[in-house]
Amino acid sequence: QKEVEQNSGPLSVPEGAIASLNCTYSDRGSQSFFWYRQYSGKSPELIMSIYSNGDKEDGRFTAQLNKASQYVSLLIRDSQPSDSATYLCAVNPDSSYKLIFGSGTRLLVRP
Amino acid sequence: EAQVTQNPRYLITVTGKKLTVTCSQNMNHEYMSWYRQDPGLGLRQIYYSMNVEVTDKGDVPEGYKVSRKEKRNFPLILESPSPNQTSLYFCASSLDGENTDTQYFGPGTRLTVL
Repeated sequence: QKEVEQNSGPLSVPEGAIASLNCTYSDRGSQSFFWYRQYSGKSPELIMSIYSNGDKEDGRFTAQLNKASQYVSLLIRDSQPSDSATYLCAVNPDSSYKLIFGSGTRLLVRP
Repeated sequence: EAQVTQNPRYLITVTGKKLTVTCSQNMNHEYMSWYRQDPGLGLRQIYYSMNVEVTDKGDVPEGYKVSRKEKRNFPLILESPSPNQTSLYFCASSLDGENTDTQYFGPGTRLTVL
């Protein structure tokens, strides 16, 4: 079983809709969770981090964490074509210095 | 400008010919890391360094070496490259390795081993 799992997609949503991206992780001791966005041919960039159960909002982005279910999600409201990218979920297991990435979900926002 | 730089950006080489990919950051970050990215497998950590002269293995260290003699530089060395090391490589740095930290990624090095 992979440590961090994401649906590869593509997830296709119309412009203005809510895009929901999901991620599950296997290490129950994981403490920190991150969402990175990666445009084609570019390097990943951090868009959200979350450390405690519940929701964290930043502009159009909301990260949701449920440690009991080992589940973290990213909601993008009012999706724009410029949001079309691959979204990588990353988990910091057991407060170690490692960072484990999922394989990413490709999001396509249709104009 | 705060940044992580990698060189070269593209490299085609042959099996067994030693190569080094350089990584440098100008943000005085303590933590640096190397990843490889392959289709369907995502980013996998190769090695990381918590500070000068302190390095540790990530998830896929076989076939790679690193060194951290200076804070700003963290080169990745392939002593005897093989075709299965053909990949996209990213260097990243953060202020320290604590779990609250943002990692900044370099632009990537696309390596092809024939």
